[in-house]
Amino acid sequence: GAGVSQTPSNKVTEKGKYVELRCDPISGHTALYWYRQSLGQGPEFLIYFQGTGAADDSGLPNDRFFAVRPEGSVSTLKIQRTERGDSAVYLCASSSPGTAGELFFGEGSRLTVL
Amino acid sequence: AQSVTQLDSQVPVFEEAPVELRCNYSSSVSVYLFWYVQYPNQGLQLLLKYLSGSTLVKGINGFEAEFNKSQTSFHLRKPSVHISDTAEYFCAVSVPKTGNNRKLIWGLGTSLAVNP
Repeated sequence: GAGVSQTPSNKVTEKGKYVELRCDPISGHTALYWYRQSLGQGPEFLIYFQGTGAADDSGLPNDRFFAVRPEGSVSTLKIQRTERGDSAVYLCASSSPGTAGELFFGEGSRLTVL
Repeated sequence: AQSVTQLDSQVPVFEEAPVELRCNYSSSVSVYLFWYVQYPNQGLQLLLKYLSGSTLVKGINGFEAEFNKSQTSFHLRKPSVHISDTAEYFCAVSVPKTGNNRKLIWGLGTSLAVNP
């Protein structure tokens, strides 16, 4: 597609439930990033994929968070046993080689855990 | 360690007035510099970037920024703002990691509020 697409745009769930957030990057972009943004804060890095592999997952807050990118394109962020503190906007971004770190962002998925 | 400091968390300004949003960074290696804008309820959008060459870079919507290596700054400016410029502005620095990878270090953001 023309831009980074994220679904769902909004997700409301109950504490303890499992959630999946999907990101479809710009075609041809090999790098894919997940960030989390809380109200009034900057983006918080979660994980970075280069192709199919997670090149850096140092930002994942704990083992309830997991992300995959099995074919090197679409990525899914998975959150198990959600907690109220997981409520945030989850941003996905992609980039192509040689862009010096310029990222193209999706609109985000707003997660609310009740 | 690398870091980015946006010196003002909020900047109120009247329409048609000039504005400067300040950004300082700390890094022992060469960096690339970015300003991103986030309009209400939207994702982040690149405003402008500095990679090399001229230290004055121009971006979208009439914004420009100047890279000052000696002061490690990358302040964003616009000579005359519009109501539609009301948004959150983020400064980010790209630093090298292992291999050909780079990592973006983000500031906390500056909320620009343009009033009529």
